[in-house]
Amino acid sequence: AQRVTQPEKLLSVFKGAPVELKCNYSYSGSPELFWYVQYSRQRLQLLLRHISRESIKGFTADLNKGETSFHLKKPFAQEEDSAMYYCALRGGSGGYQKVTFGIGTKLQVIP
Amino acid sequence: DAGVTQSPTHLIKTRGQHVTLRCSPISGHKSVSWYQQVLGQGPQFIFQYYEKEERGRGNFPDRFSARQFPNYSSELNVNALLLGDSALYLCASSLGSGRSYEQYFGPGTRLTVT
Repeated sequence: AQRVTQPEKLLSVFKGAPVELKCNYSYSGSPELFWYVQYSRQRLQLLLRHISRESIKGFTADLNKGETSFHLKKPFAQEEDSAMYYCALRGGSGGYQKVTFGIGTKLQVIP
Repeated sequence: DAGVTQSPTHLIKTRGQHVTLRCSPISGHKSVSWYQQVLGQGPQFIFQYYEKEERGRGNFPDRFSARQFPNYSSELNVNALLLGDSALYLCASSLGSGRSYEQYFGPGTRLTVT
């Protein structure tokens, strides 16, 4: 079974402080990991995924297979980063896929 | 392109009734996935369809079914509604199925079961 754990439902940080949103997963095969973001009154949208290894809006995430983690980080939080963040895992074989989301972490950046 | 569209936006049903939710993918996208998001939880995967075939199924009872049409739009059907089916139902489309294809989400349909 595949599982995604986001231990914090709410994370409050001051503007300019570093941010780390935690995500741990459980999956026996080779997963694909994602971070999605939902800003207030907007649709859920992809922020980044591990295979692209890029930085989006200053956020990065590294897949650590040893610790089964995919934490999202940003060195300096900005007010516009306030949103819901969901970690997700896609697994399966061939064309048969299943996607599992975590419960989500609400990031609140305090001015 | 307006992106993924879903209809209706909201609806209220009574326990035991049946409901059909609709999704139109982004033009050119051939895969549609459905998710249920209960308040305070992350989206839960229900189905994925690609080229009108089921390519993924989550842990939902047989009361939930879906289909994809030749124009790649999709319907999600839920029979014998329960109070616990009250949720936001999200549709997402992607160019293809399998790894590496980015999903684009619709605004969702808010279903309330009374």
